[in-house]
Amino acid sequence: NAGVTQTPKFRILKIGQSMTLQCAQDMNHNYMYWYRQDPGMGLKLIYYSVGAGITDKGEVPNGYNVSRSTTEDFPLRLELAAPSQTSVYFCASSYGVLTEAFFGQGTRLTVV
Amino acid sequence: KNEVEQSPQNLTAQEGEFITINCSYSVGISALHWLQQHPGGGIVSLFMLSSGKKKHGRLIATINIQEKHSSLHITASHPRDSAVYICAVRRNSGGGADGLTFGKGTHLIIQP
Repeated sequence: NAGVTQTPKFRILKIGQSMTLQCAQDMNHNYMYWYRQDPGMGLKLIYYSVGAGITDKGEVPNGYNVSRSTTEDFPLRLELAAPSQTSVYFCASSYGVLTEAFFGQGTRLTVV
Repeated sequence: KNEVEQSPQNLTAQEGEFITINCSYSVGISALHWLQQHPGGGIVSLFMLSSGKKKHGRLIATINIQEKHSSLHITASHPRDSAVYICAVRRNSGGGADGLTFGKGTHLIIQP
C-alpha cells in the first residue's frame, strides 16, 4: 500500500500566488487532516474531514481552503500566499477516531 | 500553557543507554499517540494508547490516565533511534474527530 501520498515535496511560492497541496490515501480511511508544522511548535490542525463531502475548520484555517469530493483525496488550497504560510504541511488519515494515524511525507513550502 | 507538554526538549545519550521521554497533558483524552519524525522526513506512528502499556521491539510506551502522564522508553538505544519523538492526544471534546493536539517534540540524539 502507498499509504498517504503528498505532492509536491517542496515548493517555493511568491507572495500572492496560489497553489494546491495534494493528498491522497489508499486505505479507505474516513478521517483526513491537514496540519502545519512550524519550527519549535507542535503541529497545528488546519482543516479536517470525516468523510467525502464533509469538511470543517481546525485551529488555524485562515488563508486555506479544502474540499473532499472523494474518500481518497483531500487537497489543501492556498489562496494569495503570504510569508506566514511558510511551513511544513502534513496530511494525515485514520480509519476512525480511535485508530492509528498515518501521515504523509510532508510538503515544505516557502513563500517569498 | 500548552495542553500537551513534553520533557526533555532535547536529549543526547550514548549508544546503549535506556531512554525515557515524558508527556503530560491537561485535557481529557480518549487516546494518546507517540510519533517519530526523522530529520527532513515524514511522521511515523509508534503507538496509540488509551490505557496501560504497549511494547514493540525496543520501544515501550506507558500511560497513567489518572495522572495524565505518559512515557516512551527506548531500551538499548542505537544511533538510528535519533529522531524527534512527538506526543499527541485525541481530546474527548468534539467527539475526537477534530484531530490530534501535539506536543512540541523531544529531539533525541544517540551518539555511537
